[in-house]
Amino acid sequence: GQQVMQIPQYQHVQEGEDFTTYCNSSTTLSNIQWYKQRPGGHPVFLIQLVKSGEVKKQKRLTFQFGEAKKNSSLHITATQTTDVGTYFCGWGTGGFKTIFGAGTRLFVKA
Amino acid sequence: KAGVTQTPRYLIKTRGQQVTLSCSPISGHRSVSWYQQTPGQGLQFLFEYFSETQRNKGNFPGRFSGRQFSNSRSEMNVSTLELGDSALYLCASSLEGVLNEQFFGPGTRLTVL
Repeated sequence: GQQVMQIPQYQHVQEGEDFTTYCNSSTTLSNIQWYKQRPGGHPVFLIQLVKSGEVKKQKRLTFQFGEAKKNSSLHITATQTTDVGTYFCGWGTGGFKTIFGAGTRLFVKA
Repeated sequence: KAGVTQTPRYLIKTRGQQVTLSCSPISGHRSVSWYQQTPGQGLQFLFEYFSETQRNKGNFPGRFSGRQFSNSRSEMNVSTLELGDSALYLCASSLEGVLNEQFFGPGTRLTVL
């Protein structure tokens, strides 16, 4: 079935270091969404990408959608302790369901 | 604008019982999706409703069912509970469907003993 593979599963960084999580699909995606879930919280929408090669920035966060629309990445520059949580990518299918990656849990050490 | 609300927030049941969870979407949102979140399986899609119609269903047994009312509020029901049903159940609302930004509720933490 259609899957979105997300790596790494965990990432430990020192505050100030950069962080990147990747989502890869074997099939072309129509769109990709990114969510953040703080420990004990619920997923919160960050962004949606729909165009091939699209790059969007939100302050220290940079989101990319691959040229072939089969992969995407989220990069955080100079992590802060407030960045801790799990980052999920999700693909909204035309069949009215979202398939989520397994998530990357980010730990930031002050 | 009020966010997505879910009730109850916590629930403890025993095997074999059934449970009904409720979700009230953001005003004006017609699409409600339900997800099961467990440490081992991540976020798994259960079903999506739009204007009282189920448009898609995930790979879950028939014990899992849902419905949506005319005011867009949604309920999901799990019958004959099993230990493996212990999870955080999240609902998310959006204007038209999963291709739009989804707003998640706080979830219902279900524990099956």
